[in-house]
Amino acid sequence: SQTIHQWPATLVQPVGSPLSLECTVEGTSNPNLYWYRQAAGRGLQLLFYSVGIGQISSEVPQNLSASRPQDRQFILSSKKLLLSDSGFYLCAWSVSRDYGYTFGSGTRLTVV
Amino acid sequence: AQSVTQLGSHVSVSEGALVLLRCNYSSSVPPYLFWYVQYPNQGLQLLLKYTTGATLVKGINGFEAEFNKSQTSFHLRKPSVHISDTAEYFCAVSQRRALTFGSGTRLQVQP
Repeated sequence: SQTIHQWPATLVQPVGSPLSLECTVEGTSNPNLYWYRQAAGRGLQLLFYSVGIGQISSEVPQNLSASRPQDRQFILSSKKLLLSDSGFYLCAWSVSRDYGYTFGSGTRLTVV
Repeated sequence: AQSVTQLGSHVSVSEGALVLLRCNYSSSVPPYLFWYVQYPNQGLQLLLKYTTGATLVKGINGFEAEFNKSQTSFHLRKPSVHISDTAEYFCAVSQRRALTFGSGTRLQVQP
């Protein structure tokens, strides 16, 4: 069966520090991978998606970047965090438009 | 372009009552529609989806939704809610590459 792992679960980071969030998928090949952010009281904002190794599409200009070094690994990074980067970050995978997404358990990031 | 509107950011009902969560969408292509549930500090879990075929879709935990093309709606309902249904619910429409989510409806079920 397919599983998705996302870590860490919670993170408190000072302003200006770097960030690396990792997401891995098991049990499927060549998935579409997604990073969403959920800010307090707001819906889900698509940040990045990837349809293959090294292929990253950015939806919103921001302080973040994403990479896909392996087929089932998706990394969200920042060189210098801002207070506005605080939120709940969710990784998801899918295989087709009608399949829907399977989400990871999320990372709660607080920038202080 | 696709978009999703969820009417009502907060809904409060008593346990055992019928609940209806509203979702309207716009889509330039035949839509694939989804409902997700999110419990506090967790990821989203798929409740049900409409792709093609029967317009009444049944999902997990006793939820169901009806696709109405003429009204561009995909409302979620449950005939008798339980306290454990307290959560946030998101409607979503599938774009070419990614899902577009509504802003969510927080459902509070009172004892």
